[in-house]
Amino acid sequence: DGGITQSPKYLFRKEGQNVTLSCEQNLNHDAMYWYRQDPGQGLRLIYYSQIVNDFQKGDIAEGYSVSREKKESFPLTVTSAQKNPTAFYLCASRGQGPGELFFGEGSRLTVL
Amino acid sequence: GEDVEQSLFLSVREGDSSVINCTYTDSSSTYLYWYKQEPGAGLQLLTYIFSNMDMKQDQRLTVLLNKKDKHLSLRIADTQTGDSAIYFCAESGNDYKLSFGAGTTVTVRA
Repeated sequence: DGGITQSPKYLFRKEGQNVTLSCEQNLNHDAMYWYRQDPGQGLRLIYYSQIVNDFQKGDIAEGYSVSREKKESFPLTVTSAQKNPTAFYLCASRGQGPGELFFGEGSRLTVL
Repeated sequence: GEDVEQSLFLSVREGDSSVINCTYTDSSSTYLYWYKQEPGAGLQLLTYIFSNMDMKQDQRLTVLLNKKDKHLSLRIADTQTGDSAIYFCAESGNDYKLSFGAGTTVTVRA
């Protein structure tokens, strides 16, 4: 089945540690996105990539890094510089329709 | 985000119509969207409307757009228990960088 796979679903991290969230898609989409979701707030864009080997900062990129070495993969690293990393992270890719984003099931990161 | 606002909660009786409202600030928005998120899952696109349209209907869903007031609404007819979810309003320009509201949690009661 085609779709977006995020892993891990749940992740616990100690303060000061970097952690990488995986996002893989087999939809053959060019554009991919990372959003952060906090209770009572809308999704906020962290990074996005329109094409392989290219990516741009979103609205809240500080403390995060990404790479886009393959079309299928867009991993997100939450670094120790991110001041409040506990959140639900959603990865998406964009299909053919206007703004038609396909989302993964999300990764919930908790910093202890 | 702060550019898109919507009420946080809506409770509706099964079989009634639900109306979820949204306002946005960017007058250059080209597309307006409604996404649905079920518990523990990612978002799913329900429908979208071009900014030059006033209304779009898709089965039980009706989207109304008042561009002058920058107001978007989603009406769900004959609301069912399976419609319980969080509904997100979003907007974008032609760059498809979507800005999302905080989401409206719809609870359907028997």
